[in-house]
Amino acid sequence: DAGVIQSPRHEVTEMGQEVTLRCKPISGHNSLFWYRQTMMRGLELLIYFNNNVPIDDSGMPEDRFSAKMPNASFSTLKIQPSEPRDSAVYFCASSLSDQETQYFGPGTRLLVL
Amino acid sequence: AQSVTQLGSHVSVSEGALVLLRCNYSSSVPPYLFWYVQYPNQGLQLLLKYTTGATLVKGINGFEAEFKKSETSFHLTKPSAHMSDAAEYFCAVSEGGTGRRALTFGSGTRLQVQP
Repeated sequence: DAGVIQSPRHEVTEMGQEVTLRCKPISGHNSLFWYRQTMMRGLELLIYFNNNVPIDDSGMPEDRFSAKMPNASFSTLKIQPSEPRDSAVYFCASSLSDQETQYFGPGTRLLVL
Repeated sequence: AQSVTQLGSHVSVSEGALVLLRCNYSSSVPPYLFWYVQYPNQGLQLLLKYTTGATLVKGINGFEAEFKKSETSFHLTKPSAHMSDAAEYFCAVSEGGTGRRALTFGSGTRLQVQP
């Protein structure tokens, strides 16, 4: 079975550019989570969706970050404009909403120069 | 609000020795507790979880953890370390029951296994 799919796996961009990260959750899962991992702050939740609706976006750093889930099989996390402090590994995870286990994708390693 | 504290950012053991990774949590509601493992340049893989019922839970690769409510702890153990156990381990908490499912993670413990 395919797990959570994220693309791209690596992204290098210059400060000020727009960055779009993509996630395909496990088929049938209706909760989707975006996390960010940095050396300074560790793993932290950015936003999560349930049935395509954002439930908690309190972790989104600022207006430069936005996330969408247009359908049950796709989500994007966009950063515009990007800054060097956004450099991190961004993970997407999915689960069944009434189940507690989240399954993580391989992550997107973002470097903003 | 929830939080997780992992004591020891780095733990080194000899192959065959006991592994003990410590995790304490804080939660205003009954928690669900998790241990995840992360190998270099990979995502997180669930090792084990506690939701309800038996407080001693067994996971993959010979790991187990015990939920101790009175101590607000969920320490991870393995009787005999293997070289392949070298990785980073994260303890995490979410709200139990019908609560908020988002995970709050600890800062991680890097396990080194010496030959």
